[in-house]
Amino acid sequence: GAGVSQSPRYKVTKRGQDVALRCDPISGHVSLYWYRQALGQGPEFLTYFNYEAQQDKSGLPNDRFSAERPEGSISTLTIQRTEQRDSAMYRCASSLVGEGTADTQYFGPGTRLTVL
Amino acid sequence: QKEVEQDPGPLSVPEGAIVSLNCTYSNSAFQYFMWYRQYSRKGPELLMYTYSSGNKEDGRFTAQVDKSSKYISLFIRDSQPSDSATYLCAMSASYSSASKIIFGSGTRLSIRP
Repeated sequence: GAGVSQSPRYKVTKRGQDVALRCDPISGHVSLYWYRQALGQGPEFLTYFNYEAQQDKSGLPNDRFSAERPEGSISTLTIQRTEQRDSAMYRCASSLVGEGTADTQYFGPGTRLTVL
Repeated sequence: QKEVEQDPGPLSVPEGAIVSLNCTYSNSAFQYFMWYRQYSRKGPELLMYTYSSGNKEDGRFTAQVDKSSKYISLFIRDSQPSDSATYLCAMSASYSSASKIIFGSGTRLSIRP
Protein backbone atom coordinates (compact mmCIF):
# COMPACT_ATOMS: atom_id res chain seq x y z
CA GLY A 1 0.00 0.00 0.00
CA ALA A 2 0.91 3.66 -0.20
CA GLY A 3 1.33 4.14 3.52
CA VAL A 4 1.10 2.51 6.91
CA SER A 5 -2.42 1.31 7.64
CA GLN A 6 -3.95 0.45 10.98
CA SER A 7 -7.17 -1.23 11.96
CA PRO A 8 -9.55 -0.70 13.47
CA ARG A 9 -9.42 3.10 13.42
CA TYR A 10 -11.62 3.26 16.50
CA LYS A 11 -12.14 0.65 19.18
CA VAL A 12 -14.43 0.94 22.17
CA THR A 13 -14.27 -1.84 24.69
CA LYS A 14 -15.30 -2.58 28.23
CA ARG A 15 -12.84 -2.82 31.06
CA GLY A 16 -11.47 -6.35 31.38
CA GLN A 17 -11.82 -7.26 27.71
CA ASP A 18 -8.86 -8.13 25.46
CA VAL A 19 -8.18 -6.08 22.32
CA ALA A 20 -5.98 -6.66 19.29
CA LEU A 21 -4.75 -3.77 17.20
CA ARG A 22 -3.37 -4.37 13.74
CA CYS A 23 -0.66 -2.61 11.77
CA ASP A 24 0.16 -3.13 8.11
CA PRO A 25 3.49 -1.43 7.32
CA ILE A 26 4.67 0.04 4.05
CA SER A 27 5.61 -2.78 1.71
CA GLY A 28 9.25 -3.74 2.04
CA HIS A 29 9.85 -1.88 5.28
CA VAL A 30 12.05 -3.86 7.61
CA SER A 31 11.35 -2.15 10.91
CA LEU A 32 8.02 -1.71 12.60
CA TYR A 33 7.34 0.36 15.72
CA TRP A 34 4.46 0.76 18.15
CA TYR A 35 3.85 4.00 20.02
CA ARG A 36 1.09 5.24 22.31
CA GLN A 37 0.02 8.86 22.20
CA ALA A 38 -2.06 10.49 24.90
CA LEU A 39 -4.02 13.64 24.10
CA GLY A 40 -1.73 16.65 24.07
CA GLN A 41 1.42 14.54 24.32
CA GLY A 42 4.01 13.22 21.93
CA PRO A 43 4.11 9.54 20.98
CA GLU A 44 5.56 7.27 23.65
CA PHE A 45 7.64 4.32 22.46
CA LEU A 46 6.29 0.84 23.23
CA THR A 47 8.23 -1.71 21.17
CA TYR A 48 9.80 -2.37 17.79
CA PHE A 49 10.65 -5.21 15.40
CA ASN A 50 13.25 -5.84 12.75
CA TYR A 51 11.64 -8.35 10.43
CA GLU A 52 9.90 -10.78 12.78
CA ALA A 53 12.29 -10.30 15.70
CA GLN A 54 11.22 -8.11 18.57
CA GLN A 55 14.29 -5.95 19.25
CA ASP A 56 13.17 -3.75 22.10
CA LYS A 57 10.09 -4.03 24.28
CA SER A 58 11.28 -1.75 27.04
CA GLY A 59 8.35 0.64 26.54
CA LEU A 60 5.57 -1.90 27.11
CA PRO A 61 3.91 -0.71 30.36
CA ASN A 62 3.29 -4.14 31.89
CA ASP A 63 2.76 -7.77 30.98
CA ARG A 64 -0.80 -7.15 29.79
CA PHE A 65 0.74 -5.66 26.65
CA SER A 66 2.33 -7.85 23.99
CA ALA A 67 3.15 -7.58 20.31
CA GLU A 68 4.05 -9.92 17.52
CA ARG A 69 5.06 -9.80 13.90
CA PRO A 70 5.21 -13.49 12.96
CA GLU A 71 5.98 -13.18 9.24
CA GLY A 72 7.92 -9.95 9.32
CA SER A 73 5.12 -7.87 7.84
CA ILE A 74 1.80 -7.29 9.64
CA SER A 75 2.01 -6.76 13.38
CA THR A 76 -0.54 -7.10 16.15
CA LEU A 77 -0.46 -5.29 19.48
CA THR A 78 -2.57 -7.10 22.07
CA ILE A 79 -3.77 -5.65 25.34
CA GLN A 80 -5.23 -8.15 27.78
CA ARG A 81 -7.69 -7.30 30.55
CA THR A 82 -7.96 -3.70 29.42
CA GLU A 83 -8.13 -0.90 31.97
CA GLN A 84 -9.42 2.65 31.59
CA ARG A 85 -5.85 4.00 31.76
CA ASP A 86 -5.11 2.10 28.53
CA SER A 87 -7.33 4.54 26.61
CA ALA A 88 -5.15 6.38 24.10
CA MET A 89 -4.22 6.62 20.44
CA TYR A 90 -2.02 3.70 19.45
CA ARG A 91 0.25 4.48 16.51
CA CYS A 92 2.31 2.23 14.33
CA ALA A 93 5.29 3.34 12.25
CA SER A 94 7.54 1.58 9.79
CA SER A 95 10.93 2.31 8.31
CA LEU A 96 13.23 1.06 5.59
CA VAL A 97 16.58 0.71 7.28
CA GLY A 98 19.56 0.91 4.98
CA GLU A 99 23.27 1.07 5.55
CA GLY A 100 24.36 4.61 6.27
CA THR A 101 21.00 6.18 5.54
CA ALA A 102 18.82 8.03 7.96
CA ASP A 103 16.11 5.84 9.42
CA THR A 104 12.88 7.68 8.68
CA GLN A 105 9.82 6.36 10.45
CA TYR A 106 6.49 6.76 8.66
CA PHE A 107 3.47 6.82 10.91
CA GLY A 108 0.04 5.36 10.38
CA PRO A 109 -3.26 7.07 11.22
CA GLY A 110 -3.54 5.32 14.56
CA THR A 111 -6.19 3.36 16.43
CA ARG A 112 -8.16 5.32 18.99
CA LEU A 113 -8.81 2.94 21.90
CA THR A 114 -11.44 3.83 24.48
CA VAL A 115 -11.89 1.59 27.50
CA LEU A 116 -15.17 2.12 29.34
CA GLN B 1 12.69 14.45 34.69
CA LYS B 2 11.73 13.63 31.11
CA GLU B 3 14.51 12.84 28.65
CA VAL B 4 13.12 15.45 26.25
CA GLU B 5 11.45 18.68 27.37
CA GLN B 6 9.35 20.85 25.08
CA ASP B 7 7.17 23.83 25.84
CA PRO B 8 3.60 22.75 24.95
CA GLY B 9 2.46 26.26 24.01
CA PRO B 10 0.07 27.07 22.49
CA LEU B 11 1.94 29.59 20.40
CA SER B 12 0.03 32.05 18.21
CA VAL B 13 1.80 34.38 15.78
CA PRO B 14 0.72 36.54 12.81
CA GLU B 15 1.30 35.37 9.26
CA GLY B 16 4.78 36.19 8.03
CA ALA B 17 6.39 36.11 11.47
CA ILE B 18 9.47 34.09 12.32
CA VAL B 19 8.67 31.20 14.63
CA SER B 20 11.14 29.65 17.05
CA LEU B 21 10.44 26.25 18.60
CA ASN B 22 12.80 24.66 21.10
CA CYS B 23 13.57 21.51 23.03
CA THR B 24 16.11 20.47 25.62
CA TYR B 25 17.29 16.95 26.32
CA SER B 26 19.26 15.17 29.00
CA ASN B 27 20.57 11.98 27.33
CA SER B 28 24.05 12.43 25.83
CA ALA B 29 23.54 9.25 23.78
CA PHE B 30 21.12 11.00 21.42
CA GLN B 31 22.76 11.40 18.02
CA TYR B 32 19.85 11.88 15.63
CA PHE B 33 17.55 14.86 15.97
CA MET B 34 14.24 15.29 14.21
CA TRP B 35 11.27 17.58 13.95
CA TYR B 36 7.89 16.09 13.19
CA ARG B 37 4.77 18.01 12.23
CA GLN B 38 1.37 16.70 13.24
CA TYR B 39 -1.86 18.10 11.87
CA SER B 40 -5.05 17.59 13.83
CA ARG B 41 -6.32 13.98 13.68
CA LYS B 42 -3.29 12.88 11.64
CA GLY B 43 -0.13 10.92 12.38
CA PRO B 44 3.21 12.70 12.80
CA GLU B 45 5.19 13.31 9.61
CA LEU B 46 8.93 13.92 9.47
CA LEU B 47 9.77 17.52 8.65
CA MET B 48 13.53 17.67 9.09
CA TYR B 49 16.36 15.68 10.57
CA THR B 50 19.99 16.25 11.43
CA TYR B 51 22.71 14.33 13.20
CA SER B 52 25.33 16.95 13.92
CA SER B 53 25.63 20.21 15.74
CA GLY B 54 25.00 23.27 13.64
CA ASN B 55 22.29 24.43 11.27
CA LYS B 56 20.42 22.64 8.52
CA GLU B 57 18.17 24.59 6.21
CA ASP B 58 15.30 23.38 4.03
CA GLY B 59 13.27 26.11 2.39
CA ARG B 60 11.60 28.19 5.07
CA PHE B 61 12.68 25.79 7.82
CA THR B 62 15.99 25.73 9.71
CA ALA B 63 16.90 23.10 12.28
CA GLN B 64 19.61 23.93 14.77
CA VAL B 65 21.38 21.57 17.17
CA ASP B 66 23.73 22.50 20.01
CA LYS B 67 24.97 19.25 21.52
CA SER B 68 27.12 21.01 24.11
CA SER B 69 24.01 22.64 25.57
CA LYS B 70 21.69 19.73 24.74
CA TYR B 71 19.38 22.16 22.98
CA ILE B 72 17.64 21.96 19.61
CA SER B 73 15.57 24.50 17.74
CA LEU B 74 13.36 24.78 14.69
CA PHE B 75 12.91 28.14 12.97
CA ILE B 76 10.14 28.83 10.51
CA ARG B 77 10.52 31.92 8.32
CA ASP B 78 7.67 33.70 6.58
CA SER B 79 5.16 31.59 8.50
CA GLN B 80 1.94 30.64 6.71
CA PRO B 81 -1.50 29.64 8.04
CA SER B 82 -0.83 26.17 6.59
CA ASP B 83 2.04 25.85 9.09
CA SER B 84 -0.53 25.69 11.91
CA ALA B 85 0.02 22.31 13.52
CA THR B 86 1.68 20.64 16.48
CA TYR B 87 5.45 20.42 16.15
CA LEU B 88 7.19 17.55 17.90
CA CYS B 89 10.91 17.40 18.51
CA ALA B 90 12.27 13.89 18.55
CA MET B 91 15.60 12.17 18.99
CA SER B 92 17.24 8.78 19.00
CA ALA B 93 20.58 7.20 19.74
CA SER B 94 21.14 6.05 16.16
CA TYR B 95 20.39 7.40 12.70
CA SER B 96 21.60 4.56 10.52
CA SER B 97 19.85 1.67 12.16
CA ALA B 98 16.47 1.05 13.68
CA SER B 99 16.09 2.69 17.03
CA LYS B 100 13.32 3.92 19.25
CA ILE B 101 12.49 7.60 19.04
CA ILE B 102 11.91 9.71 22.12
CA PHE B 103 9.46 12.53 21.45
CA GLY B 104 8.86 15.83 23.16
CA SER B 105 5.32 16.64 24.20
CA GLY B 106 4.78 18.89 21.16
CA THR B 107 4.16 22.61 20.71
CA ARG B 108 0.83 23.71 19.26
CA LEU B 109 1.41 26.47 16.73
CA SER B 110 -1.25 28.70 15.23
CA ILE B 111 -0.50 31.19 12.45
CA ARG B 112 -3.07 33.99 12.29
CA PRO B 113 -3.88 35.25 8.75
